[in-house]
Amino acid sequence: GIQVEQSPPDLILQEGANSTLRCNFSDSVNNLQWFHQNPWGQLINLFYIPSGTKQNGRLSATTVATERYSLLYISSSQTTDSGVYFCAVWPGGNNRLAFGKGNQVVVIP
Amino acid sequence: DAGITQSPRHKVTETGTPVTLRCHQTENHRYMYWYRQDPGHGLRLIHYSYGVKDTDKGEVSDGYSVSRSKTEDFLLTLESATSSQTSVYFCATLGQGAEAFFGQGTRLTVV
Repeated sequence: GIQVEQSPPDLILQEGANSTLRCNFSDSVNNLQWFHQNPWGQLINLFYIPSGTKQNGRLSATTVATERYSLLYISSSQTTDSGVYFCAVWPGGNNRLAFGKGNQVVVIP
Repeated sequence: DAGITQSPRHKVTETGTPVTLRCHQTENHRYMYWYRQDPGHGLRLIHYSYGVKDTDKGEVSDGYSVSRSKTEDFLLTLESATSSQTSVYFCATLGQGAEAFFGQGTRLTVV
């Protein structure tokens, strides 16, 4: 099945810093999403972005489908950005929705 | 967000007992998935469904079975619960435009 790799696995940021998270995938996909898992365990949809660039406040994401990667940018990080960020991809058809192992982000004040 | 409800939200059960978790959706999404989340392992796929009565195994399916007799419900059964199945279980559905949504999770403790 499709493989998903996220980097870096762990990241510690000073509040106000910027960061980039990366998701590489091994095959073409119909769907790519970024999720944030907050400290209470909820999985929050951040972006549905099979291709192109989207922005939502301090977060933005870019997917280059032809090169099989996606980037999530966090600008001016805040402590509420802490948590785990997951990338998920779906190749389409009767295939599994595959996840990377996540990026654990800690923002310190 | 999609209407996805997991029940129960919390459960404590004894080793050897059967347990059924329910995922209910109101969005008529075709695809549904069960994951478990454990520290250090991220989200691991247990089983998934691509239609009524159509299911397939994920990477950690041993000890679990599923059923989908109607579009809106996807049931996960632990046939004989073991302590290694203590985990947080998440259900997800895939909707129009192939966007996935998650339920709130079920915290299961097997004692």
